Amino acid sequence: DTEVTQTPKHLVMGMTNKKSLKCEQHMGHRAMYWYKQKAKKPPELMFVYSYEKLSINESVPSRFSPECPNSSLLNLHLHALQPEDSALYLCASSQVGMSAYGYTFGSGTRLTVV
Amino acid sequence: QQQVKQSPQSLIVQKGGISIINCAYENTAFDYFPWYQQFPGKGPALLIAIRPDVSEKKEGRFTISFNKSAKQFSLHIMDSQPGDSATYFCAANGTNFGNEKLTFGTGTRLTIIP
Repeated sequence: DTEVTQTPKHLVMGMTNKKSLKCEQHMGHRAMYWYKQKAKKPPELMFVYSYEKLSINESVPSRFSPECPNSSLLNLHLHALQPEDSALYLCASSQVGMSAYGYTFGSGTRLTVV
Repeated sequence: QQQVKQSPQSLIVQKGGISIINCAYENTAFDYFPWYQQFPGKGPALLIAIRPDVSEKKEGRFTISFNKSAKQFSLHIMDSQPGDSATYFCAANGTNFGNEKLTFGTGTRLTIIP
């Protein structure tokens, strides 16, 4: 299995809603990442988990809350988002220390905040 | 210093022609330079990558040329095909306080016309 699976593929939520994005991989990768990508822009790093511990938080607002319950799963909890948070949210995984060698992205969740 | 500059922003090439995308960086601590290909609605996929101690790497129709002294690298797509139409991102891998991080270029939207 060489895939990173993200669910849901599309999500529309109101500014008062609470929702979660899910990411799963079974490649034995111990580094997992959340990226945000706006239209016609490169992916922007949000969070990095290494061995299930948060190692990088790129000063992301607290309305985004990551969670890594085990080595295969990565969640992103969303609460009180703003319309400008609408974007494609990408999950990726890699071997620890090998991010550029084997960075596998999921297809993303297209999030629309209304 | 963490930026990776990419050009052109968009590129139209005739089928069978050579597509060339250029990137430049400032941080000499970057240690790996991958290229990603992204189709609409999909996550980026690793296309080809190079280390700074190598001046050229070729995989099929795709070639990376790397000029360490000029801090520039480029992607050449030979015999470009309509299926190559996608957005291409160069990237550079760096380590900060033991954490690896990919810095992406701004992207090039490539269109191959018949």
